[in-house]
Amino acid sequence: QKEVEQDPGPLSVPEGAIVSLNCTYSNSAFQYFMWYRQYSRKGPELLMYTYSSGNKEDGRFTAQVDKSSKYISLFIRDSQPSDSATYLCAMRGTGANNLFFGTGTRLTVIP
Amino acid sequence: NAGVTQTPKFQVLKTGQSMTLQCAQDMNHEYMSWYRQDPGMGLRLIHYSVGAGITDQGEVPNGYNVSRSTTEDFPLRLLSAAPSQTSVYFCASQFRWRGSRFLRGAELFFGEGSRLTVL
Repeated sequence: QKEVEQDPGPLSVPEGAIVSLNCTYSNSAFQYFMWYRQYSRKGPELLMYTYSSGNKEDGRFTAQVDKSSKYISLFIRDSQPSDSATYLCAMRGTGANNLFFGTGTRLTVIP
Repeated sequence: NAGVTQTPKFQVLKTGQSMTLQCAQDMNHEYMSWYRQDPGMGLRLIHYSVGAGITDQGEVPNGYNVSRSTTEDFPLRLLSAAPSQTSVYFCASQFRWRGSRFLRGAELFFGEGSRLTVL
């Protein structure tokens, strides 16, 4: 079993829709949770990060962490065609440098 | 700042050939790493380094070699290329993790990737 599981999609939504992306994990030592966005033929870039459990909002993006269920989510409101990309969840434990990534979910927002 | 620079961007090799993927960063990051990205497998850590002269293995190190003689550079060597090493390779760097506080700007920065095909 992989330490981080993510539905690869692909996911296709109309412009303006609310998008929900999710990951589950098995390692209870993970404390830092991140979402990276990767455009086609580019390297991943950090989109959001969250420490431990709770919600964090940044504009149209909301990251949620439920440590009791080992489940994290990224919500995108009012999705735009420019949001079309692959979204990767990533996580690490306290004091650890190495990140563990999900497989990524490919999202297409249709105008 | 250039960030993380990888060369070459594209490379085609024949089975058994060797080559080196170059990675350089200008952010004075202590930590550098190499990932490979394959469809359905996500990003998998090959090797990493927490400082000059220090390297360690990640999840999929077989067939690859690294060294870290300077803070800026972290080359990845393919010793005898195999078709299974066809992939997109990403170099990444960050400040070495200290304490328990996540600071914006302390995240992992990626290069643009090197696409390798082994025939």
